[in-house]
Amino acid sequence: NAGVMQNPRHLVRRRGQEARLRCSPMKGHSHVYWYRQLPEEGLKFMVYLQKENIIDESGMPKERFSAEFPKEGPSILRIQQVVRGDSAAYFCASSPPGQWDTGELFFGEGSRLTVL
Amino acid sequence: GENVEQHPSTLSVQEGDSAVIKCTYSDSASNYFPWYKQELGKRPQLIIDIRSNVGEKKDQRIAVTLNKTAKHFSLHITETQPEDSAVYFCAASKGKIIFGKGTRLHILP
Repeated sequence: NAGVMQNPRHLVRRRGQEARLRCSPMKGHSHVYWYRQLPEEGLKFMVYLQKENIIDESGMPKERFSAEFPKEGPSILRIQQVVRGDSAAYFCASSPPGQWDTGELFFGEGSRLTVL
Repeated sequence: GENVEQHPSTLSVQEGDSAVIKCTYSDSASNYFPWYKQELGKRPQLIIDIRSNVGEKKDQRIAVTLNKTAKHFSLHITETQPEDSAVYFCAASKGKIIFGKGTRLHILP
């Protein structure tokens, strides 16, 4: 059973470009979290989704950031018009049905975004 | 929403000694408290968790205690070893899992 798969592992963008980060949860998992980790800092909650539904996006910046988890395919975190402050590691995590807030989160290896 | 405070931000202990990391949370409705370990450049991984109906849980050299009245919980690592060096995150959950800012633990030889 493959773990949580994130790609790309490293992404370099220039200011103003778009970044798309993808996350495939573990098989059988129906919920996906996205967290942002700045250098030397903690994991900041961004958004929590199940297929075709955003459950909680209270941690998402109001502009430029969006997330989706379609019926088919991976979850995607999209950052439009990137700025230097968006440089960070973005971690995706998944959890089994029924355990989205009381069970283990399985993290991917992260996608490290660098904005030049 | 939930807010999790974690202390200290950095901790150095001699190999073989014990390490204690403390967290407080704000939402009294939180009912699940996991601890994650993140080694440099790696993904966070669950090391132990505790639910609100339990006051203490132990797994070999690691233990966690929970005081719901005071809204704080702690991680205890005994007989520390070099491989315990990492960043440790506490978290609290009520609908979504919110993490503290982490504690960088250094095990000194």
